[in-house]
Amino acid sequence: EAGVVQSPRYKIIEKKQPVAFWCNPISGHNTLYWYRQNLGQGPELLIRYENEEAVDDSQLPKDRFSAERLKGVDSTLKIQPAELGDSAVYLCASSLRDAGNTEAFFGQGTRLTVV
Amino acid sequence: AQSVTQLDSQVPVFEEAPVELRCNYSSSVSVYLFWYVQYPNQGLQLLLKYLSGSTLVKGINGFEAEFNKSQTSFHLRKPSVHISDTAEYFCAVTYSSNTGKLIFGQGTTLQVKP
Repeated sequence: EAGVVQSPRYKIIEKKQPVAFWCNPISGHNTLYWYRQNLGQGPELLIRYENEEAVDDSQLPKDRFSAERLKGVDSTLKIQPAELGDSAVYLCASSLRDAGNTEAFFGQGTRLTVV
Repeated sequence: AQSVTQLDSQVPVFEEAPVELRCNYSSSVSVYLFWYVQYPNQGLQLLLKYLSGSTLVKGINGFEAEFNKSQTSFHLRKPSVHISDTAEYFCAVTYSSNTGKLIFGQGTTLQVKP
């Protein structure tokens, strides 16, 4: 079974440019997460989806970040415009929400460098 | 505020020696605890988790962890490490099985030397 797939793996852009990341979760997983991992830090949650609904986006900088999960499957995270401080690894994860199961499976991440 | 503290940023150890990576969390009535491993340029892989029941949890690759509620700790241990265990290790907590929001520590780099 395929895991969580993210693309691209690496992205280098100039500041003020837009960028988008794509995530395909594990088939059947209804919960999808986007995390940001700064260098030398643990991941921090940006947004969580239950099916197509964003149920926790309190940590998403809404002035420049946006996300969508059309049809409750794939998801896209966008930054517009990018700033130097957005350089980080963006991780997507998915899980199957049922009683007592909170295991999240992570993709390999997209490493963003803003220059 | 809910938080996770990993007490060591780097842990150097010789191959075949035992290791302990320490993790403390802010107290709560209910807590679910995880250890993830991250190899270079890879995503996070679950090592083990504590949801309920026995406080000693066994995971993959010979790792185990013990949940200590009184000390709010969830330390990771392995009796004999291999070179291949060199990686970044993250402790994480969620305070409700219904939120799925993981709060991660800052990570501990395990460096296994030959």
